Amino acid sequence: QSVLTQPPSVSAAPGQKVTISCSGSSSNIGNNYVSWYQQLPGTAPKLLISDNNKRPSGIPDRFSGSKSGTSATLGIIGLQTGDEADYYCGTWDNSLSGVVFGGGTKVTVL
Amino acid sequence: EVHLVESGGGLVQPGGSLRLSCAASGFTFSTYWMTWVRQAPGKGLEWLANINQDGSEKNYVDSVKGRFTISRDNAKNSLSLQMDSLRADDTAVYYCATGLGVTYRYTLGYWGQGTLVTVSS
Repeated sequence: QSVLTQPPSVSAAPGQKVTISCSGSSSNIGNNYVSWYQQLPGTAPKLLISDNNKRPSGIPDRFSGSKSGTSATLGIIGLQTGDEADYYCGTWDNSLSGVVFGGGTKVTVL
Repeated sequence: EVHLVESGGGLVQPGGSLRLSCAASGFTFSTYWMTWVRQAPGKGLEWLANINQDGSEKNYVDSVKGRFTISRDNAKNSLSLQMDSLRADDTAVYYCATGLGVTYRYTLGYWGQGTLVTVSS
């Protein structure tokens, strides 16, 4: 059971939009920055979004992040087959004194 | 370009020990927080431990406290994870990762390719 809650899967047709939610509490999301990671099949995770909504260099603006209260959301627009991957949210938990991740969300392009 | 290369994985018996290493290059290693994360087969990411720039602060997830020890050698640009009393549920791919920048403690900007640890008799 992950500290952060994500839907197991989302799907949409090419070109469409998907959103992935990440729900936490005041000890984690509510008081810390949220990051999002993309893990393509068979590869290491890659940082997609930092500081709730900042895209590192090289990340397309099709990816966006937001945070409100104790929840965060990753949005992907203009969905492409290459976006099929597992996506994880992560942040620091003040009570646990450690990083916590969501359980991951598998994005499928129909 | 940041480059992280893990090594030391392999097959170990339950109760045994293993030491993982992570060789870092392409950035000023001594100025970054470093982290170990693992992923069991078919499962999600699990943060294990992190260490600050001079090694004076270390944090661990409860499931490995007292069994795993994170350390670093800034002179050799190297991060280590000493794993003792290994159990079957420690079987996973182990990743080392850096902070996104010198001020980032828990945003993991760069990851290695991972090394597989299998605990089995």
